[in-house]
Amino acid sequence: DQQVKQNSPSLSVQEGRISILNCDYTNSMFDYFLWYKKYPAEGPTFLISISSIKDKNEDGRFTVFLNKSAKHLSLHIVPSQPGDSAVYFCAAHVTNTGTASKLTFGTGTRLQVTL
Amino acid sequence: DVKVTQSSRYLVKRTGEKVFLECVQDMDHENMFWYRQDPGLGLRLIYFSYDVKMKEKGDIPEGYSVSREKKERFSLILESASTNQTSMYLCASSFGGSTNEKLFFGSGTQLSVL
Repeated sequence: DQQVKQNSPSLSVQEGRISILNCDYTNSMFDYFLWYKKYPAEGPTFLISISSIKDKNEDGRFTVFLNKSAKHLSLHIVPSQPGDSAVYFCAAHVTNTGTASKLTFGTGTRLQVTL
Repeated sequence: DVKVTQSSRYLVKRTGEKVFLECVQDMDHENMFWYRQDPGLGLRLIYFSYDVKMKEKGDIPEGYSVSREKKERFSLILESASTNQTSMYLCASSFGGSTNEKLFFGSGTQLSVL
């Protein structure tokens, strides 16, 4: 059962325009959300995160929005650049003060930024 | 910078072989994880460890085991490799004791089981 879903396997955007990547989740216990970016032949790298007590977090060109009632988050990249072309994974977890909190990942969206 | 190193970039093994995937991190992180990445399935957690000699099953532990004898090293073991274990394997670590689990990943090992 996929608890974190990214329904768009791929997205193509022109350079300079906005890229919007979407993510839906089903587990209402999730309280922290992250976006990772992955280039071919490299491991994923952390991009941006948001706590469930917020509805927006911004870091430079990247903004993540969280809609808890809809169990939906999105990543906005403005303006998009060719170097943003990568696979983006949404991830979520339930804060656990015992053992390590496990991240649950989505299936990924491949973003291509064209010239 | 945190460095997570996976010993092999590419591996080709035969069905039934015992396979060891090694991972080392250099930041004294408490937690270490093994994921596999498959097209259309994203990253799925196989096993994780929150302390030396401690381990917990992830979402897809069948066919795998792990070993963590030292804090910096986390090994994934395929006791008898099968073709459905052909995948990209990603090791990750995190500091632990935090409410925002940021994982640091290695570059991955592409395993092909023939």
